[in-house]
Amino acid sequence: DADVTQTPRNRITKTGKRIMLECSQTKGHDRMYWYRQDPGLGLRLIYYSFDVKDINKGEISDGYSVSRQAQAKFSLSLESAIPNQTALYFCATSETTGGTQPQHFGDGTRLSIL
Amino acid sequence: ILNVEQSPQSLHVQEGDSTNFTCSFPSSNFYALHWYRWETAKSPEALFVMTLNGDEKKKGRISATLNTKEGYSYLYIKGSQPEDSATYLCAFNTGNQFYFGTGTSLTVIP
Repeated sequence: DADVTQTPRNRITKTGKRIMLECSQTKGHDRMYWYRQDPGLGLRLIYYSFDVKDINKGEISDGYSVSRQAQAKFSLSLESAIPNQTALYFCATSETTGGTQPQHFGDGTRLSIL
Repeated sequence: ILNVEQSPQSLHVQEGDSTNFTCSFPSSNFYALHWYRWETAKSPEALFVMTLNGDEKKKGRISATLNTKEGYSYLYIKGSQPEDSATYLCAFNTGNQFYFGTGTSLTVIP
């Protein structure tokens, strides 16, 4: 089983719909991250969380919200999806020492908004 | 927003060739520099985490160097093999956030 699991793997939905992407991990890591990847652009950080009570905005948080329900679970929500949120979304985890430890990525969620 | 640049954007080499690519990042607020290997239809996997100026890391035929004072890191692949074909990402860490480059896409031709 994957250490970092994202659901769903693929989603097609319509403009204006509310969408939730879920991430769960069995690595016991405190730090969790949500990124989006667009063609020609690098991975861009949406939100990150260093523990259950700690949520931080990343580079491109507008239009997104997150919930850290437990150490192992970090969900990303699009309250009212718009077509330019079509992208590949990755969840990642890392150990508490964060920057000096590698990130571990899920397999990604491909989201298309029509 | 911090600017992390990788060059070249893409590279085609013959099997057996050695190659290298560059990651440029701000020389201030440096905490760590990561390299990841990203194969098509898979998720990025960590290659190296580098923290000290002058750091050199090696894993098999792949190695990396770090210069934090001038803000660059090199990734080297010796004797490229077709299985090395992937996108290589670098990520600059400030202690909290990661800033990724757009990657170098490597294709090794058998």
